[in-house]
Amino acid sequence: AQSVTQLGSHVSVSEGALVLLRCNYSSSVPPYLFWYVQYPNQGLQLLLKYTSAATLVKGINGFEAEFKKSETSFHLTKPSAHMSDAAEYFCAVSSRRGGADGLTFGKGTHLIIQP
Amino acid sequence: ETGVTQSPTHLIKTRGQQVTLRCSSQSGHNTVSWYQQALGQGPQFIFQYYREEENGRGNFPPRFSGLQFPNYSSELNVNALELDDSALYLCASRGGGTSTDTQYFGPGTRLTVL
Repeated sequence: AQSVTQLGSHVSVSEGALVLLRCNYSSSVPPYLFWYVQYPNQGLQLLLKYTSAATLVKGINGFEAEFKKSETSFHLTKPSAHMSDAAEYFCAVSSRRGGADGLTFGKGTHLIIQP
Repeated sequence: ETGVTQSPTHLIKTRGQQVTLRCSSQSGHNTVSWYQQALGQGPQFIFQYYREEENGRGNFPPRFSGLQFPNYSSELNVNALELDDSALYLCASRGGGTSTDTQYFGPGTRLTVL
């Protein structure tokens, strides 16, 4: 079985400040890990994914995440927050079974950007 | 290249009724997954179809069923609707059946059960 825990249902940062969204996973097999963003009344958009290549993954819109096996973590960061980053962020894990068990998502973190 | 589309956008049903939601995959994608997203929660995996066959299912009862057509579009059917079925239903498509393939999500159908 696999699971994802996102620490902090709401995170508030000032515009221009560092963004750090936390994600810890549990998986009985080596995982694939994903970060998705959801804007109001829209579907999910992939920010980045880890699939066992480089542990530091760069994504769209200046986001990156680092896979740390020893800490079972995959935290999302962005050096400088922009007002347009305000959205809901989801961390997800998938096993390597062939994808037929779908993605397991965390409960999400709502990112608030203060002007 | 067109993205994933879903219809209808919103739907209101009463308890006990049946509903069908539709999804058109992104061009060239042969795998479709459906997810249920309750208010304030992350999406939960319902099932996946690969080349018209269900090949994976989450923890949902049999009254949640689906179809995938030769053009890879898909339907989600829910029978005997319950109040807890009220949620955003998301469809996602990808080009292959492997875990590394990126899933592209549609905008969702908002189902309200009264």
